[in-house]
Amino acid sequence: GENVEQHPSTLSVQEGDSAVIKCTYSDSASNYFPWYKQELGKGPQLIIDIRSNVGEKKDQRIAVTLNKTAKHFSLHITETQPEDSAVYFCAASLGIHDMRFGAGTRLTVKP
Amino acid sequence: GAVVSQHPSWVICKSGTSVKIECRSLDFQATTMFWYRQFPKQSLMLMATSNEGSKATYEQGVEKDKFLINHASLTLSTLTVTSAHPEDSSFYICSAYRNYGYTFGSGTRLTVV
Repeated sequence: GENVEQHPSTLSVQEGDSAVIKCTYSDSASNYFPWYKQELGKGPQLIIDIRSNVGEKKDQRIAVTLNKTAKHFSLHITETQPEDSAVYFCAASLGIHDMRFGAGTRLTVKP
Repeated sequence: GAVVSQHPSWVICKSGTSVKIECRSLDFQATTMFWYRQFPKQSLMLMATSNEGSKATYEQGVEKDKFLINHASLTLSTLTVTSAHPEDSSFYICSAYRNYGYTFGSGTRLTVV
């Protein structure tokens, strides 16, 4: 099955700086790559996603890039704000079934 | 947008009792829902896939008789933790699949004392 690795496990940045979180996946058939933000005691919230037919997607301060050849994808957050502090999970999916999550990255944005 | 409602948000129960968690898709029909378990500071681990009108598909290592899943309608899936023990204490999260994406519920914190 799919295996997703995520790095780093923790990330601390100064407010206004950029944050980058990277994930690799093992199954080349995976075609859907979402990123979720999880705040303490809450369920994951989708912040951005990308499909295998696209190399990059941007939504305001958040962007995701996908390299299918290398089987890795990254989340980029620019102009970070304290409210961006949370745990971020990447995931890879073969379709409706079998979505696997990375281990998570705890992002702390220092004011 | 797609909304998934999960209840209760937290529950405390005594060892040996059963607890039911509900997951509802509020504005769409979900033929497939998923149940996850999350330990503190860890990732989400898929427990089972709930299919409307048929038996759930459990991941390896998940006890079917302990974690009963029912998906009797297109908008409701339930997870019942039977004969709960302290080691079942965890954060349980459901999600529903719609339009090639997944929406998560807000999670249920189960504490077994």
